[in-house]
Amino acid sequence: NAGVTQTPKFRILKIGQSMTLQCTQDMNHNYMYWYRQDPGMGLKLIYYSVGAGITDKGEVPNGYNVSRSTTEDFPLRLELAAPSQTSVYFCASSYLQHYSNQPQHFGDGTRLSIL
Amino acid sequence: KNQVEQSPQSLIILEGKNCTLQCNYTVSPFSNLRWYKQDTGRGPVSLTIMTFSENTKSNGRYTATLDADTKQSSLHITASQLSDSASYICVVSAINTNAGKSTFGDGTTLTVKP
Repeated sequence: NAGVTQTPKFRILKIGQSMTLQCTQDMNHNYMYWYRQDPGMGLKLIYYSVGAGITDKGEVPNGYNVSRSTTEDFPLRLELAAPSQTSVYFCASSYLQHYSNQPQHFGDGTRLSIL
Repeated sequence: KNQVEQSPQSLIILEGKNCTLQCNYTVSPFSNLRWYKQDTGRGPVSLTIMTFSENTKSNGRYTATLDADTKQSSLHITASQLSDSASYICVVSAINTNAGKSTFGDGTTLTVKP
């Protein structure tokens, strides 16, 4: 199994550009999440989804959008890139909700720089 | 406000030595506590998951303990290896909250030197 796959691994954007970070999982997990990790800080939840067609905001959703048209894919969209969005973005999935005794499976991240 | 605090922020030890990482939390009502290992440039990988009723859980040379009364957890690494160099993240989840919301600590960066 590939697990959680994120593309691209690295990207440099100019201020005001837009892009989509891709995330796909092959474990048939219902729950998917997007986090950002700033240097020396804990992961912050951006958006999450409990199944196809259902998404909800996390702690830091401003400047981002998501969609979940299939169980496998959960793309994250940046519409107008800002320097504050420079970060490492992690996608994760889990079989059950976070307060179950099931682990989250993470991708290896997308390193995004906004210049 | 739910919080997870980890200490120390960073730690350097010699190969073969043991070490203990700490996690204090104020998340309520408590559901579970997880420890993840994050290698440089990689995503976190689950080490242990503990519920309210569990005091100790092991995964190879990693042993996690939980004291739900004092809201403290520790991760003990035995006979450290160079490959243990990583960031260790404590994550605490609350029951009956929105599906996506767990509280992540800032991590402890462990460096194992030969």
